Amino acid sequence: AQSVAQPEDQVNVAEGNPLTVKCTYSVSGNPYLFWYVQYPNRGLQFLLKYITGDNLVKGSYGFEAEFNKSQTSFHLKKPSALVSDSALYFCAVRPGVDSSYKLIFGSGTRLLVRP
Amino acid sequence: GAGVSQSPSNKVTEKGKDVELRCDPISGHTALYWYRQSLGQGLEFLIYFQGNSAPDKSGLPSDRFSAERTGGSVSTLTIQRTQQEDSAVYLCASSPRQGTLSGNTIYFGEGSWLTVV
Repeated sequence: AQSVAQPEDQVNVAEGNPLTVKCTYSVSGNPYLFWYVQYPNRGLQFLLKYITGDNLVKGSYGFEAEFNKSQTSFHLKKPSALVSDSALYFCAVRPGVDSSYKLIFGSGTRLLVRP
Repeated sequence: GAGVSQSPSNKVTEKGKDVELRCDPISGHTALYWYRQSLGQGLEFLIYFQGNSAPDKSGLPSDRFSAERTGGSVSTLTIQRTQQEDSAVYLCASSPRQGTLSGNTIYFGEGSWLTVV
C-alpha cells in the first residue's frame, strides 16, 4: 500500500536551534512531495514541494527540505527555529503514477518551539 | 477572492440532520478536492473534481455523503442524516489544471468545522 510516515508525533526545539521534521514515504514511481503547515484553527498552508531537479528545495518562512531517493525521505528543516513556527506540519506525497492526482498525507507532526 | 473560500466556517448540528458545506475555489482553478480531518488524525481524501470530467468519489465514506460542482466552480459537500462520527474539519482545496498530476500545488481553504451533537 502507498503510504507516508511521519514517525514523530511531536518535535520540541529551543528557539534559535535548528529543527528537523521527518517524513518517509512508500509509493510507486517517482513521487511529488509536499510540505504543509497548519496553525491552530486554520487550514493548511503550502510550504514547499519537490517535483524534479535539485534535491534541496527552499520554501516559505525559511524552511527547506531535502529529497533523498535512496532513503525515500523528504525531511523538513530550518536552520534557526522561531517560536512562531510552532504548528502542525504535514508531509504529503503524490505517487509517481501517471493517473494519480491525489495527495496522500502523513499523520502530522506537532512542532513546539520554546522560547 | 484570492484564496479558497469555505462556508460555514463552523457548524453545529443535531444528529440526523442534513448539512451542506460550500467551497469557492481560486478563480481559474479547474481541479477541486475535498478532504476530511478528524480530531487527532491526518487528512482523508473524499472526492476530486476536474473540469467537466466525472468526479472521483472513491473516498466518500458512505452513501450519506455526496458532492457536486456546478458550472465548474463552486462545490457543495452534503452530508445526510449526520452522525457523531461525522464531526471533523472538512477541507476544500483547489489547483490549476489536473492538480498534482502536473506537479501543481493544491491550495486549501480554512475549512468548515462540523460538530454533530
